[in-house]
Amino acid sequence: GAGVSQTPSNKVTEKGKYVELRCDPISGHTALYWYRQSLGQGPEFLIYFQGTGAADDSGLPNDRFFAVRPEGSVSTLKIQRTERGDSAVYLCASSPTGSSTDTQYFGPGTRLTVL
Amino acid sequence: QKEVEQDPGPLSVPEGAIVSLNCTYSNSAFQYFMWYRQYSRKGPELLMYTYSSGNKEDGRFTAQVDKSSKYISLFIRDSQPSDSATYLCAMSGPGAGSYQLTFGKGTKLSVIP
Repeated sequence: GAGVSQTPSNKVTEKGKYVELRCDPISGHTALYWYRQSLGQGPEFLIYFQGTGAADDSGLPNDRFFAVRPEGSVSTLKIQRTERGDSAVYLCASSPTGSSTDTQYFGPGTRLTVL
Repeated sequence: QKEVEQDPGPLSVPEGAIVSLNCTYSNSAFQYFMWYRQYSRKGPELLMYTYSSGNKEDGRFTAQVDKSSKYISLFIRDSQPSDSATYLCAMSGPGAGSYQLTFGKGTKLSVIP
């Protein structure tokens, strides 16, 4: 596809469950980012991948959150033991190289609801 | 105090009006300034990108940066109903970590036909 895609678009889960959110970046983009957008707030940075490696995971809120990008393309954000406070829209973005002048292209997000 | 402050609105204007959206920031290291537009249930899309003080124009949109006041603005001329969306300012610093965007809360704009 032409843009960043994310699946699922919506995910409802129960407190304590494990969830995986998937991101397909624009083909050829080496940089991939995850952000979290809570209701009424702007996106907040979670993690940045350059190729297969997590170059900066300083935004992950705690060790229940983990992300991988094993082949340098698709990325999965994994949340263990979900809590109600994890409810938010999880946005993925990609850019060509990760430089400061790159445009970050965002996907539509996955809306996570933890009951 | 958050690093980036943005009035969340909502802001409602008649079609054809000039709209002014603003953000202030506290981190003087920020050097790259962006405005994103986000339609309901969609991801943000980049509208304007500037990296210096002054004005940048693109069609009906003008971005303005005043680094001395730590203040950025987005002006929309001849606003259209299709401009109804949430507008997010975003910024980043130089060097390591420059990929990490810091966003404002977003201002929700409605343009009434």
